[in-house]
Amino acid sequence: GQQVMQIPQYQHVQEGEDFTTYCNSSTTLSNIQWYKQRPGGHPVFLIQLVKSGEVKKQKRLTFQFGEAKKNSSLHITATQTTDVGTYFCAGDAGNNRKLIWGLGTSLAVNP
Amino acid sequence: DGGITQSPKYLFRKEGQNVTLSCEQNLNHDAMYWYRQDPGQGLRLIYYSQIVNDFQKGDIAEGYSVSREKKESFPLTVTSAQKNPTAFYLCASGTGFAMNTEAFFGQGTRLTVV
Repeated sequence: GQQVMQIPQYQHVQEGEDFTTYCNSSTTLSNIQWYKQRPGGHPVFLIQLVKSGEVKKQKRLTFQFGEAKKNSSLHITATQTTDVGTYFCAGDAGNNRKLIWGLGTSLAVNP
Repeated sequence: DGGITQSPKYLFRKEGQNVTLSCEQNLNHDAMYWYRQDPGQGLRLIYYSQIVNDFQKGDIAEGYSVSREKKESFPLTVTSAQKNPTAFYLCASGTGFAMNTEAFFGQGTRLTVV
């Protein structure tokens, strides 16, 4: 079946270091979404990417959608303690119109 | 304030009892979803509804039931047939008919069955 693999599962960084999480799909996606879930909280939408090769930035966060629309990445520059949480990607393969969720990358930031 | 509200935040039930989780939204969204989240397993879709009086099974619908009598409300019943009901349940809503639009999540309900 359709799968979205997300790596790494966990990442521990010092404050100020960069962080990247990757999503890889077994099928071509029509779009991909990224969410952040703080510890004990609920997922909050960050962004949606639709176009092949698309790059979007939100302050220190950079989101990329691969040329083949099968992979995506989220890069955080100079992490802060407020970046702590789990980052999920969710892809839409377009055929059954349901989102397929990655398992998330949990980010811990040492002050 | 517009948003999506789940209640209660924490719920304890005895094994063998049915329990209903509430989800209400005032965002005027057509689509509503129920997800289950277990540690290390991400989000799994239980049921979804794209229009009033219609809903579809997700990937793990066994042991659950839903109704969509009003646009604003999408309650989830966890029945005694659900083998492992202890989990974090998240309700979400989205604009439009397609499920590939941004999802707005409620605060979640942590269900513990003892």
